[in-house]
Amino acid sequence: GAVVSQHPSRVICKSGTSVKIECRSLDFQATTMFWYRQFPKQSLMLMATSNEGSKATYEQGVEKDKFLINHASLTLSTLTVTSAHPEDSSFYICSAPWLADSTEQYFGPGTRLTVT
Amino acid sequence: AQSVAQPEDQVNVAEGNPLTVKCTYSVSGNPYLFWYVQYPNRGLQFLLKYITGDNLVKGSYGFEAEFNKSQTSFHLKKPSALVSDSALYFCAVREPYSNTGKLIFGQGTTLQVKP
Repeated sequence: GAVVSQHPSRVICKSGTSVKIECRSLDFQATTMFWYRQFPKQSLMLMATSNEGSKATYEQGVEKDKFLINHASLTLSTLTVTSAHPEDSSFYICSAPWLADSTEQYFGPGTRLTVT
Repeated sequence: AQSVAQPEDQVNVAEGNPLTVKCTYSVSGNPYLFWYVQYPNRGLQFLLKYITGDNLVKGSYGFEAEFNKSQTSFHLKKPSALVSDSALYFCAVREPYSNTGKLIFGQGTTLQVKP
């Protein structure tokens, strides 16, 4: 089946620094990818829709200057958390629809970000 | 506004017993409905989906779900629970008329299967 990878799986950074998270579709092309944030034992909150070749679409309340998204190719989207603060600590998950059947999405394994 | 509700934060069941994880939805138009499972510190794994056709959908690991339009429900079921089924389960609906596949998730239900 289709596979989506994320790198790194976990990262610890100091407050004020920036962190980049990569999301890759390994065996299919994804013109669209989604970025979610998940707090412990809570649901996934959609942050933004990443569009290959164009600007990302952010959900209401998500700061686009803080969470920079770049969809550089049909297999790679990156989320950069700029000037990270402890409240940005969370589990970040990306997903991508299978191009031939966009009713189904494949999720990455997630990235645990801890900001100290 | 479209929404998905999972009324139970946690469901406890003994191994070997049937399990049900509830989901109701509120969307305009015909919904695309999904169930995903998440193990600790992992991404979501697809279990099953309803798009159209037979209201009873069979999915991975012996799970099934029944689409009930009149009750706007899509409950997840399994005839005989396993301890390894213990995880966090999410119901989701695809945003109607979306050509990008955007999903709206319920709040999740923790399933605890005890030996």
